Amino acid sequence: EAGVVQSPRYKIIEKKQPVAFWCNPISGHNTLYWYRQNLGQGPELLIRYENEEAVDDSQLPKDRFSAERLKGVDSTLKIQPAELGDSAVYLCASRRRNTEAFFGQGTRLTVV
Amino acid sequence: ILNVEQSPQSLHVQEGDSTNFTCSFPSSNFYALHWYRWETAKSPEALFVMTLNGDEKKKGRISATLNTKEGYSYLYIKGSQPEDSATYLCAFESYNTDKLIFGTGTRLQVFP
Repeated sequence: EAGVVQSPRYKIIEKKQPVAFWCNPISGHNTLYWYRQNLGQGPELLIRYENEEAVDDSQLPKDRFSAERLKGVDSTLKIQPAELGDSAVYLCASRRRNTEAFFGQGTRLTVV
Repeated sequence: ILNVEQSPQSLHVQEGDSTNFTCSFPSSNFYALHWYRWETAKSPEALFVMTLNGDEKKKGRISATLNTKEGYSYLYIKGSQPEDSATYLCAFESYNTDKLIFGTGTRLQVFP
């Protein structure tokens, strides 16, 4: 079974530039999460999807962040424009209900 | 706001030492407590998903206990090895949601 695939693995951009991250979850997993992890902290939920519906986006900074999950499968997370404080690891995870979550390797974003 | 706390924040032990970490979480609306191991340059990987008060789970030298009434879980590693070096994350799952709220993690380093 293929795992959760994220790309890119690393991204360095200048502030005020846009950036996008992509996630391909495990087939059949209807729940998909995007988390942000800052250094020394735990993963912080940005958005959670049930199939194609965003059911929890209360912590997504909507002025600059957007996300979509096409046909309830792949998902993209976009930041426009990026700020210095957005430097972090962005993790995507997927799961079936009542099971463990499976994570991608994350995208390490550096905004300079 | 639900708080999930882990202690200690970091731990350095010698090979062969046994160690344990704590995860504390809200005791109300509990559904499950997850433990994940996150090695550098890899994806976080599930160790245990625990749902029943008093539950104990074991995987090799790693075991975990759960107390849902007082809101804590312990993770034990017996005879630590250098390959156990990782960040250990716990995540609280509340009843009737698929939301996973992570603690800040315990970073373990095992020296040969």
